[in-house]
Amino acid sequence: ETGVTQTPRHLVMGMTNKKSLKCEQHLGHNAMYWYKQSAKKPLELMFVYSLEERVENNSVPSRFSPECPNSSHLFLHLHTLQPEDSALYLCASSQGPAGVTIYEQFFGPGTRLTVL
Amino acid sequence: EDQVTQSPEALRLQEGESSSLNCSYTVSGLRGLFWYRQDPGKGPEFLFTLYSAGEEKEKERLKATLTKKESFLHITAPKPEDSATYLCAVQAAHSGAGSYQLTFGKGTKLSVIP
Repeated sequence: ETGVTQTPRHLVMGMTNKKSLKCEQHLGHNAMYWYKQSAKKPLELMFVYSLEERVENNSVPSRFSPECPNSSHLFLHLHTLQPEDSALYLCASSQGPAGVTIYEQFFGPGTRLTVL
Repeated sequence: EDQVTQSPEALRLQEGESSSLNCSYTVSGLRGLFWYRQDPGKGPEFLFTLYSAGEEKEKERLKATLTKKESFLHITAPKPEDSATYLCAVQAAHSGAGSYQLTFGKGTKLSVIP
């Protein structure tokens, strides 16, 4: 495997289900991200982990729960979602910023989530 | 608040018809501007990073330029395989958690007709 991988690629769940999205990066990066992409809206940053510690949580509802067990893996645990949560969920990774140096983020293929 | 506006929302070109996409931004201190390409059902693919006004970068038929207020993605003699949504994002000079934040535009959907 190369780059950033995500599983599953497609997920349909009911409002009472619990499911998890998985992301794995094979780039040796130390920062990982979850984004939400909805139609006609810009990518929205949900969570950032740097060196396995959460550094950003952009007012995301508690029905989304991230987990970063190590620098290569990132999970997004989902429970009691709403239909408006249906979207493409993207994982990304990068080297963390170092002083004034910034690094591009590399994205996975995404998980298309549909909440019924 | 950092803002990124991309125009046009959609662009249809004939194969070989050159054009430019625009990304206007408002940030409190730009650290970098990124261009990505996104194909339907896939994640964004990194194209370029620009750091300062006057900088230019090229890749095949694409050339990205940067001024103090906007960036342009010039597409020369496009081919149908250049059809995609092109996303612009900025990283501002915030500290702490903000130093990881990218602010994206809504994108420009490019269609190149054979």
